[in-house]
Amino acid sequence: DAGVTQSPTHLIKTRGQQVTLRCSPKSGHDTVSWYQQALGQGPQFIFQYYEEEERQRGNFPDRFSGHQFPNYSSELNVNALLLGDSALYLCASSLQVSYNEQFFGPGTRLTVL
Amino acid sequence: AQSVTQLGSHVSVSEGALVLLRCNYSSSVPPYLFWYVQYPNQGLQLLLKYTSAATLVKGINGFEAEFKKSETSFHLTKPSAHMSDAAEYFCAVDNNNDMRFGAGTRLTVKP
Repeated sequence: DAGVTQSPTHLIKTRGQQVTLRCSPKSGHDTVSWYQQALGQGPQFIFQYYEEEERQRGNFPDRFSGHQFPNYSSELNVNALLLGDSALYLCASSLQVSYNEQFFGPGTRLTVL
Repeated sequence: AQSVTQLGSHVSVSEGALVLLRCNYSSSVPPYLFWYVQYPNQGLQLLLKYTSAATLVKGINGFEAEFKKSETSFHLTKPSAHMSDAAEYFCAVDNNNDMRFGAGTRLTVKP
């Protein structure tokens, strides 16, 4: 049984560019949450998707957007990249009925130059 | 708003010694509380979760945590540290689908 997978593993972009990160949830899970983990800090909640809709959102600007597909996989898009967007982006999946029992993927390391 | 404070960004113990990682939370209502572990270049793995069923929660890898409402604490312990326990540990609180993580505590285990 595959756990949560994320792609790519690493990514380097320049300021002003756009990026798309991808996540496949653990088999059977229907809810996907995205987190940003800056170096030396704990993860910060970006948003959560369920039934292809954004259900909850953290304190992140509109430059951060997402999508969930019918197969429950998800994308995180970040527009107009800033240096401060450099971080590890974590995807977590769960069942909506037990939404806070989350399984995390290994993350995508984004570096903005 | 709820929050989590982890006391001590770095904790170092000898192999076989007691591990104690401290976490205090603030929440207006009884929350869900969690401990996660993160190994280098990996995502977070759930160690244990408090759901109000019992104040002493047992998790994986010999870890346990005790919920103390009067102290608003949820400290993580393990009786005997193993070299493989060296990692970053995060305490988290969830209240109505608003998950907040602490800044983390890096545990070093000395031989």
